Amino acid sequence: TQLLEQSPQFLSIQEGENLTVYCNSSSVFSSLQWYRQEPGEGPVLLVTVVTGGEVKKLKRLTFQFGDARKDSSLHITAAQPGDTGLYLCAGGGGSNYKLTFGKGTLLTVNP
Amino acid sequence: NAGVTQTPKFRILKIGQSMTLQCAQDMNHNYMYWYRQDPGMGLKLIYYSVGAGITDKGEVPNGYNVSRSTTEDFPLRLELAAPSQTSVYFCASSYSLSGRNTEAFFGQGTRLTVV
Repeated sequence: TQLLEQSPQFLSIQEGENLTVYCNSSSVFSSLQWYRQEPGEGPVLLVTVVTGGEVKKLKRLTFQFGDARKDSSLHITAAQPGDTGLYLCAGGGGSNYKLTFGKGTLLTVNP
Repeated sequence: NAGVTQTPKFRILKIGQSMTLQCAQDMNHNYMYWYRQDPGMGLKLIYYSVGAGITDKGEVPNGYNVSRSTTEDFPLRLELAAPSQTSVYFCASSYSLSGRNTEAFFGQGTRLTVV
């Protein structure tokens, strides 16, 4: 079983602060995805990273895939209340490349 | 484009009752998934399917059954509902080729309460 550990589990910050959340595993993934989920909704894809060392930027969000493709990080610059939500990483791999999710980081950005 | 459609949105079951959660996708995706999400937690994989006629267990399959007779539909069956199955259930689909997973699209979820 491929496990994805996310940290921190909860994060509460003030508007304008920077933050980083992490997604770690002992397994190698063929690709890794980050999703954001808002209350009452299903998760929505933010980004997919596939190459070790890859860095992708989405406005104030920066995603990095570890060189060994076992871990990833999400950095948010100057967080805004609209960034509030549950951030989930998901890895594709294993014998059938099924998509496995971490437990998520619940981010609250206070005005 | 409807995407992934789940029904019902809400349901209350009594202990021991059975029900089927419906899921349909119109994107011709080969992979379909059922996840459950408990309050404040991530998604736990119940069952998944890599194509019509093929299903496999995820992390928490006990108490559930699935079938995939067509590419579009992936129903989840609860045979004897238990309070531990109170959760929000999400169906998702994606296209996977050569070991690379593309974006997973999710339904709106089914909030199930077993009393």
